[in-house]
Amino acid sequence: AQKVTQAQTEISVVEKEDVTLDCVYETRDTTYYLFWYKQPPSGELVFLIRRNSFDEQNEISGRYSWNFQKSTSSFNFTITASQVVDSAVYFCALSEAEAGNNRKLIWGLGTSLAVNP
Amino acid sequence: EAGVAQSPRYKIIEKRQSVAFWCNPISGHATLYWYQQILGQGPKLLIQFQNNGVVDDSQLPKDRFSAERLKGVDSTLKIQPAKLEDSAVYLCASSFGRGNTEAFFGQGTRLTVV
Repeated sequence: AQKVTQAQTEISVVEKEDVTLDCVYETRDTTYYLFWYKQPPSGELVFLIRRNSFDEQNEISGRYSWNFQKSTSSFNFTITASQVVDSAVYFCALSEAEAGNNRKLIWGLGTSLAVNP
Repeated sequence: EAGVAQSPRYKIIEKRQSVAFWCNPISGHATLYWYQQILGQGPKLLIQFQNNGVVDDSQLPKDRFSAERLKGVDSTLKIQPAKLEDSAVYLCASSFGRGNTEAFFGQGTRLTVV
């Protein structure tokens, strides 16, 4: 079954700490895409990154970095030197192929991150 | 670039009443999605449009929910009659492609059914 698991429901850290959000997925596809979205208290979902299944290179964008490991079906997200503005719910999602060339997003339940001053 | 616009931001209705939400996607985005997000859960896809055609509505409770995307641009989602369990945030998103490209989300409409 296709599934995205975010085992950490809530994480609380103190500002400037590093924090890693875990994401484990299951899929039958050989071609798929993985995403991370941020949902701040204002409610909108903000796109952070998309990674396709053929690209296992880690990615860094400022304080954000992502570690994609197909061997363990994981796509973990690390925030370095966390800030209060990073407080949000973070969702990992998997996009896999369906019939008719459509793709559907499968969402994890999200990890609520609180960064305290 | 303007983002996805949704209205209203908040709505409180009594059960059995009807309600409608409106979404204007990013210009040029062919794919439009309506999601339902219940507190503490991830978004659940209700319906996906490609231009003005429905691609996926398998999780739309069709006895009470309806959606349309006339002319392949704006979209409305309607609930009639509403139930208590419909209380949720309704998110509209749009993307250039069909699910393997990043989707851009609006701020959502928070619906409370009392």
